Amino acid sequence: ILNVEQSPQSLHVQEGDSTNFTCSFPSSNFYALHWYRWETAKSPEALFVMTLNGDEKKKGRISATLNTKEGYSYLYIKGSQPEDSATYLCARENTGNQFYFGTGTSLTVIP
Amino acid sequence: NAGVMQNPRHLVRRRGQEARLRCSPMKGHSHVYWYRQLPEEGLKFMVYLQKENIIDESGMPKERFSAEFPKEGPSILRIQQVVRGDSAAYFCASSPFEASGQPQHFGDGTRLSIL
Repeated sequence: ILNVEQSPQSLHVQEGDSTNFTCSFPSSNFYALHWYRWETAKSPEALFVMTLNGDEKKKGRISATLNTKEGYSYLYIKGSQPEDSATYLCARENTGNQFYFGTGTSLTVIP
Repeated sequence: NAGVMQNPRHLVRRRGQEARLRCSPMKGHSHVYWYRQLPEEGLKFMVYLQKENIIDESGMPKERFSAEFPKEGPSILRIQQVVRGDSAAYFCASSPFEASGQPQHFGDGTRLSIL
């Protein structure tokens, strides 16, 4: 079993605050790290895919970094808005195209 | 460009019955993954299929559960003789033929309730 760990499990922030969460994963047979955004009653939506050590991706106020040597990725949200409230999932893709998901970080942005 | 389609959205079965969950991948996608989400838990991998082949079923219970992805038609996740513990949301995801490094696209899930 290849465990992907996410922390914190849940997070409440005030509107306008910046926040970040962590995804840690085993480095062996690593191919890519995926971040998804999952709103209640909807399906997970892909945010980023990163493959190389040191990769950084950005989409609007959300960005992510990847460290494959130590096995972690950070997701950052700048100036959180209520519509950012969702569960953020990371998934490790191995060289055999198998995906292993973490249990997610549940973000609530308080207006 | 239709996304991943799962049906039914909700399924209610009595203990001992069979449940069949269907997943039509996005057009052009030949890789299908099934996941289960138990209450208060994350997505747990069950099985990974390509057309007519099971690539990895290491996450699927050995008994009562089976999956297929035929040459024509949707992928089917079949649960025989359902028990209360099978109550969960079952999600299907698909990815393109050149799957490495490509995000998976998810359906809206099937919520299975066992009475």
